[in-house]
Amino acid sequence: EAQVTQNPRYLITVTGKKLTVTCSQNMNHEYMSWYRQDPGLGLRQIYYSMNVEVTDKGDVPEGYKVSRKEKRNFPLILESPSPNQTSLYFCASRPWGSVYNSPLHFGNGTRLTVT
Amino acid sequence: DQQVKQNSPSLSVQEGRISILNCDYTNSMFDYFLWYKKYPAEGPTFLISISSIKDKNEDGRFTVFLNKSAKHLSLHIVPSQPGDSAVYFCAAVLTGANSKLTFGKGITLSVRP
Repeated sequence: EAQVTQNPRYLITVTGKKLTVTCSQNMNHEYMSWYRQDPGLGLRQIYYSMNVEVTDKGDVPEGYKVSRKEKRNFPLILESPSPNQTSLYFCASRPWGSVYNSPLHFGNGTRLTVT
Repeated sequence: DQQVKQNSPSLSVQEGRISILNCDYTNSMFDYFLWYKKYPAEGPTFLISISSIKDKNEDGRFTVFLNKSAKHLSLHIVPSQPGDSAVYFCAAVLTGANSKLTFGKGITLSVRP
């Protein structure tokens, strides 16, 4: 089954303790992206990657890092989490090319709470 | 500054009736628009889209209308079914290398049996 898999689904941590949220897709998609969803703000892009070893900032990259060493994986790293990073996170992917023919496929989300 | 606005947070309709979900945008450079549907504990799933060169796109019970001069689009669901109850996000794209989706806040649709 074609899917984007995120782990963990739920995570509670404390301020300053480094964490990684993993994302993996089995569709051989070139493009991958991370979004966060907050009440009253919709979904906002954190980082994106157009292919292996190619990453760039989205709208809200502060406090996050990403890497793209393999095509299928795009982990989101919080080096020193803070309470304002408490949010619902979504990883998404799509084939490279026109967005007209290839809408984003989303994972099921990771709910992160930083105390 | 929100570039994609969904001003009504919720909508409740009777099963079998029409649901109309509205969306406004401010950036006239957006050239592609999408609707995503989201159930609790799941990720958003693509529903329907429309290019800025069109004013209507239909897919079964779902139709999206685009009024470029008013910077407004709407999603019509006819007839509405209880399984349509979900959060609906409007998104806009400025095509390019990133082709980032800019999302609205979402509208919670409840379809009453």
